[in-house]
Amino acid sequence: KQEVTQIPAALSVPEGENLVLNCSFTDSAIYNLQWFRQDPGKGLTSLLLIQSSQREQTSGRLNASLDKSSGRSTLYIAASQPGDSATYLCAVRLQGAQKLVFGQGTRLTINP
Amino acid sequence: NAGVTQTPKFQVLKTGQSMTLQCAQDMNHNSMYWYRQDPGMGLRLIYYSASEGTTDKGEVPNGYNVSRLNKREFSLRLESAAPSQTSVYFCASQGIAAGGPWTDTQYFGPGTRLTVL
Repeated sequence: KQEVTQIPAALSVPEGENLVLNCSFTDSAIYNLQWFRQDPGKGLTSLLLIQSSQREQTSGRLNASLDKSSGRSTLYIAASQPGDSATYLCAVRLQGAQKLVFGQGTRLTINP
Repeated sequence: NAGVTQTPKFQVLKTGQSMTLQCAQDMNHNSMYWYRQDPGMGLRLIYYSASEGTTDKGEVPNGYNVSRLNKREFSLRLESAAPSQTSVYFCASQGIAAGGPWTDTQYFGPGTRLTVL
């Protein structure tokens, strides 16, 4: 059974810092991995999607990497801003599956 | 495009009451999903529908039923609500969206906050 873990559960940093969020998964036979953002009281918004054949994806100040062999992904946020405060979730889709398995998320607070 | 819409946004039920949560998407996606989100538990899949006319159980299907009414609509029914079903329920669809950068990503609705007393 695929398990997805995100550490830490919560992170608070001052504005302007670069930071890394971590995601690990137990089954390396993945189809893709996604990072989502969830604002309080809202649904999830997809930030980045990395296919199993890719090593990283970038969107603006966000960069996600994937290392299937070690079962790890990281989300790098450069020059953090208070507007980046949200919960970030990673989710894995296994090969041949229609379903996503989610981590529990990291609640990020950027302090002005 | 409205994306994924859910109704109602909030609901309070008494134990034993029934209700149906509605979900619709206008992106012509084949796959649709129902999740529940609880503190400390992340998102857990209740049921999903890979295409019109098919449904499959997810991780936590007990106490729920679903109907894929047509390609656009996927409803979740609680036949006899229990306090353990107090949660936030999210519907999602999967596929390409106009202007979206990726294939096979999931698009989420705003959620239904359900309290069972």
